[in-house]
Amino acid sequence: GAVVSQHPSWVICKSGTSVKIECRSLDFQATTMFWYRQFPKQSLMLMATSNEGSKATYEQGVEKDKFLINHASLTLSTLTVTSAHPEDSSFYICSARDWGGAETQYFGPGTRLLVL
Amino acid sequence: RKEVEQDPGPFNVPEGATVAFNCTYSNSASQSFFWYRQDCRKEPKLLMSVYSSGNEDGRFTAQLNRASQYISLLIRDSKLSDSATYLCVVNRGSNYGQNFVFGPGTRLSVLP
Repeated sequence: GAVVSQHPSWVICKSGTSVKIECRSLDFQATTMFWYRQFPKQSLMLMATSNEGSKATYEQGVEKDKFLINHASLTLSTLTVTSAHPEDSSFYICSARDWGGAETQYFGPGTRLLVL
Repeated sequence: RKEVEQDPGPFNVPEGATVAFNCTYSNSASQSFFWYRQDCRKEPKLLMSVYSSGNEDGRFTAQLNRASQYISLLIRDSKLSDSATYLCVVNRGSNYGQNFVFGPGTRLSVLP
């Protein structure tokens, strides 16, 4: 299957700092990438849909000024958690849909964020 | 009511047992359906797509009933390595930007 990478795999930071997470599709071009968040013992919740060359579409209740998304190329989307607070601590997972329009999404390995 | 609901679990079964998971969805416009498995502290991985005609992949069988808005997954001859959380996933379709809605998951533990 297609490969999606994320970097970093885990982050520990102080409250108030900003954290940038990268999501890359390694062997295919992804016009659309998705960002999810998963709290312990809960399922994945879609935060936003990232489209190459245009603004991201955010789900209801997700602050676009706090979670900045940039999809500058067909293989890279970034999520920046600005002024992170302890309640932002979570498992952040990206996924990518390939250029061919296949319905399957390929998931990155996730980034664990702990804000102290 | 959640858009996608699953058996609450957890399911604890002995090796070799047959186990069935159920899932219901509320959005009748949903277009495609999947089962993913997620191991502890890992990302979800596609197990299989689900088609109206039903589909089978080795020990795994998935069924879809659009009229009842119901999806199932059957695992036969369960192995220790099947222990994971099984996620029912519904694709809302183009009207919603074609994004996925995940069920809460059902945890399976296969015991020796």
